[in-house]
Amino acid sequence: DAGVIQSPRHEVTEMGQEVTLRCKPISGHNSLFWYRQTMMRGLELLIYFNNNVPIDDSGMPEDRFSAKMPNASFSTLKIQPSEPRDSAVYFCASKTGLNQETQYFGPGTRLLVL
Amino acid sequence: GQQLNQSPQSMFIQEGEDVSMNCTSSSIFNTWLWYKQDPGEGPVLLIALYKAGELTSNGRLTAQFGITRKDSFLNISASIPSDVGIYFCAVPDSGGSNYKLTFGKGTLLTVNP
Repeated sequence: DAGVIQSPRHEVTEMGQEVTLRCKPISGHNSLFWYRQTMMRGLELLIYFNNNVPIDDSGMPEDRFSAKMPNASFSTLKIQPSEPRDSAVYFCASKTGLNQETQYFGPGTRLLVL
Repeated sequence: GQQLNQSPQSMFIQEGEDVSMNCTSSSIFNTWLWYKQDPGEGPVLLIALYKAGELTSNGRLTAQFGITRKDSFLNISASIPSDVGIYFCAVPDSGGSNYKLTFGKGTLLTVNP
């Protein structure tokens, strides 16, 4: 079975450019999470969707960040404009049911903003 | 939110040695989770603990839910090179936001063949 799919795997961009990260959750999973991982702050939850609806976006750093889930099989995380401090690894994870531990993580997108 | 103190930050060991790491908090939790992140990949759940005092094994890995419910331990016996990676403890938030996991900062494990 295919796991969570993320694209691109690596992204290098210049400050001020728009960045779009993509995620395809595992088929049948109704919850989707976007995380950011940095050395300083570790793994942080950015936003949580349930049945395509954003439930908790309290972790989104600022208005430059936005996330959408137009359907059950696709989500995007957009940064506009990007800044060097946005450089990090961004993970998408999905799960089904009520057990919070069964989150399946994608391989991540490594973003470098110059 | 709650904060998890994970130690050690890193370990460099020889193949065949046993490894121990732990997480502590000032808060009480009903669930403790341990994840492993391989280089270049996302975290993968290793062990989930649901009861104070519980001891659970997964192959060479053994994890314990502390009796005080404020800590948890992970042990790896007879380490092998593929054990290399970052190990994270994690706990779900209490109450209505239990979908939200708080992760420790991780223990970076290096195994020298």
